Amino acid sequence: DGGITQSPKYLFRKEGQNVTLSCEQNLNHDAMYWYRQDPGQGLRLIYYSQIVNDFQKGDIAEGYSVSREKKESFPLTVTSAQKNPTAFYLCASSKTPRGNQPQHFGDGTRLSIL
Amino acid sequence: QKEVEQDPGPLSVPEGAIVSLNCTYSNSAFQYFMWYRQYSRKGPELLMYTYSSGNKEDGRFTAQVDKSSKYISLFIRDSQPSDSATYLCAMSAVGDDKIIFGKGTRLHILP
Repeated sequence: DGGITQSPKYLFRKEGQNVTLSCEQNLNHDAMYWYRQDPGQGLRLIYYSQIVNDFQKGDIAEGYSVSREKKESFPLTVTSAQKNPTAFYLCASSKTPRGNQPQHFGDGTRLSIL
Repeated sequence: QKEVEQDPGPLSVPEGAIVSLNCTYSNSAFQYFMWYRQYSRKGPELLMYTYSSGNKEDGRFTAQVDKSSKYISLFIRDSQPSDSATYLCAMSAVGDDKIIFGKGTRLHILP
């Protein structure tokens, strides 16, 4: 069954700690995206990648980093520089990086501060 | 003016009613329109995808685009309690590499 797998489902971060959220897709999609969802704020784009070994900042990239070493994988690191990391994080992918291709989402990771 | 506006709700309707969910937008270049359904603690799921103006029907769901008014709608017929979720509209323009999402409308179908 093709889809997007995000892990873990829940994650807790201590002060000063970096944490990494996993996103894997087996849809053979070229483009991948990371969003942050806060209550009442909608989806905000953190980073996106149109092709392996390339990625661009979204609207709220500060305090986050990504890598795209394999087509299937797009991990997101929430660094200690992100002072308000508590949120629901969603990974998405699309067949191509063009807006005419709808995005498909994983089931998210909820990150909280300890 | 925000690019995409969507009433956050909540919208409560009795089971069996017709539901109308709407979004307005300001960018006349938008050509691709999507509706997503998001259950609590889950990722958004693509419901409908339309290009340019017109209607598209899929089972109990109908998506409608009125580009002259910059207004899109999602209609749900014979609504069920399982339709209770947050519905997000999304749209993009030709050549864009990003999709713009509305903030979502919370829908409650009352048994």
